[in-house]
Amino acid sequence: AQTVTQSQPEMSVQEAETVTLSCTYDTSESNYYLFWYKQPPSRQMILVIRQEAYKQQNATENRFSVNFQKAAKSFSLKISDSQLGDTAMYFCAFIPMNYGGSQGNLIFGKGTKLSVKP
Amino acid sequence: KAGVTQTPRYLIKTRGQQVTLSCSPISGHRSVSWYQQTPGQGLQFLFEYFSETQRNKGNFPGRFSGRQFSNSRSEMNVSTLELGDSALYLCASSRGQATYNEQFFGPGTRLTVL
Repeated sequence: AQTVTQSQPEMSVQEAETVTLSCTYDTSESNYYLFWYKQPPSRQMILVIRQEAYKQQNATENRFSVNFQKAAKSFSLKISDSQLGDTAMYFCAFIPMNYGGSQGNLIFGKGTKLSVKP
Repeated sequence: KAGVTQTPRYLIKTRGQQVTLSCSPISGHRSVSWYQQTPGQGLQFLFEYFSETQRNKGNFPGRFSGRQFSNSRSEMNVSTLELGDSALYLCASSRGQATYNEQFFGPGTRLTVL
């Protein structure tokens, strides 16, 4: 079974501090794409960052960066200089590329609720 | 550019009824995916359409169905509603054939089954 585990249901961080959200996944596919999505309270889900599994370099997007450890099947998200607007539910997800190149769809973790405190 | 829109935003139905939800993707996007979000099960994939063809289907009973029109708008239908179908239904669109491209989500339709 292909699964995503986010072991921290809730986290909090002080404004301007750094926080790391954990994610592990399980798949037998060698090629896949990894994502972090953010769902602010009562607002639409948006993509934070995307990583292609065959790329060793960790993806970064401004204050957001990932630590991708393929062998460990780990994909953590680091948020630097946390801002009040970062308060949201964060979902880790992946899309497996099946044998033969066909693609699956997003498989999500249960999410981590992040609160940024002033 | 307008985002993904979903209608209606809120629905209240009773057990046994059926419901149709609508999703309009971003202009130019041809792939539409549907997800069910509940507190207990989290986000679960329902199905994905590209150019009016269902390409993938999640592990949901046959009461859940969908379709896509030639303008890429999509509808999902749930027949014989059950209490457990109460959820936020999210639609997402992406450009091109690859689902691993960024998926843009709509605001969702909150369905309550009484």
